[in-house]
Amino acid sequence: GAVVSQHPSRVICKSGTSVKIECRSLDFQATTMFWYRQFPKQSLMLMATSNEGSKATYEQGVEKDKFLINHASLTLSTLTVTSAHPEDSSFYICSARGGRADETQYFGPGTRLLVL
Amino acid sequence: GQNIDQPTEMTATEGAIVQINCTYQTSGFNGLFWYQQHAGEAPTFLSYNVLDGLEEKGRFSSFLSRSKGYSYLLLKELQMKDSASYLCAVMDSNYQLIWGAGTKLIIKP
Repeated sequence: GAVVSQHPSRVICKSGTSVKIECRSLDFQATTMFWYRQFPKQSLMLMATSNEGSKATYEQGVEKDKFLINHASLTLSTLTVTSAHPEDSSFYICSARGGRADETQYFGPGTRLLVL
Repeated sequence: GQNIDQPTEMTATEGAIVQINCTYQTSGFNGLFWYQQHAGEAPTFLSYNVLDGLEEKGRFSSFLSRSKGYSYLLLKELQMKDSASYLCAVMDSNYQLIWGAGTKLIIKP
């Protein structure tokens, strides 16, 4: 159980375009979803936390107008990178958690974004 | 501030045992997690400790001492596929996960 999918797994786009990444919990209801970014050989960096039906909470230094997060249902959250630039190239990983705050987070397989 | 410390890199031999330590200082404690992350992949959940003691799961065991702010992940009968980064994460009083930088484990034949 506790399977999280992410789509696409890899995307290459031109600078200035927007990219949408989907994160789905396949076999449980994800009350809370998290979006992380990871640069090569660095640790996970939490970007934002989203609860179903409410606005996401962004970590300090993360631009909410650039990284749009929507968590419209208990099984789907989306991250849109708007007007992407080469410095946005990274590994984006979502995780999902059930209703209790102390539950385990399960990670999606990640999306590798390359902005040219 | 909140802090999670774990060694940057460790090397071990196939078939041997290795212990990866994690010390933490956080505002509150609601459990400690260990995740495995292979290069280029997302983390996968290994274990969760919230009470003191040892939790065993096959070849992997995780230990917690809350009074010492200390945990370790023990890997037995090492296999080449165990080469990965091992991430320690502590859930603080706000139920936020505080992540360590990870320990890269290199297994040699």
